[in-house]
Amino acid sequence: EVQLVESGGVVVHPGGSLRLSCAASGFTFNDYTIHWVRQAPGKGLEWVSFISWDGVSTFYADSVKGRFTISRDNSKNSLYLQMNNVRTDDTALYYCVKDGDDSRGYYYMDVWGKGTAVTVSS
Amino acid sequence: DIQMTQSPSSLSASVGDRVTITCRASQSVSSYLNWYQQKPGKAPNLLIYAASSLQSGVPSRFSGSGSGTDFTLTITSLQPEDFATYYCQQSFSTSITFGQGTRLEIK
Repeated sequence: EVQLVESGGVVVHPGGSLRLSCAASGFTFNDYTIHWVRQAPGKGLEWVSFISWDGVSTFYADSVKGRFTISRDNSKNSLYLQMNNVRTDDTALYYCVKDGDDSRGYYYMDVWGKGTAVTVSS
Repeated sequence: DIQMTQSPSSLSASVGDRVTITCRASQSVSSYLNWYQQKPGKAPNLLIYAASSLQSGVPSRFSGSGSGTDFTLTITSLQPEDFATYYCQQSFSTSITFGQGTRLEIK
């Protein structure tokens, strides 16, 4: 079974740091781009970041650029999100999401974890 | 960034109805448009990718169409389990964006 399991969500003060992790199983992890997508309480979906299969290319939403760093360890089938200088508007459920595999070159998010909750509060 | 605008933001419908949700991009995204369904307390689920390709395991009453800037998600013969929130998402740009969501409620 293809599975993504996030962890590391905590309550943290504004300006603090934390690292989220995502453990992948059931597929060849190092073949796929992986994303972080977040959802603030009662709000819609917001893409945060993605990393290419080899970790060479990374992209970020403007809202987190310069504060968050995405990384992966293919030897451990794991994805990470280092979150620094967090703000109250970073409060959200953070999902780890696998990219789909389409021979025509289309990109889509086909497997989602259950999410890990981050609360930024003083 | 490419802005994605869904309409309506919410709608009420009955079991058996045909429903259409639209998604408009602020610039062309070709066919790099995906649709997701999210039920309360659950992660989103991919329904349609590449504007019109049905994800494996998704019922055939779901369909997608469009290209460029205008897209639609159609659900024929609504079932009780279809009442949820639906999101479009563009993957044309490396700065990925979602629509604000359309909440489909039971009338």
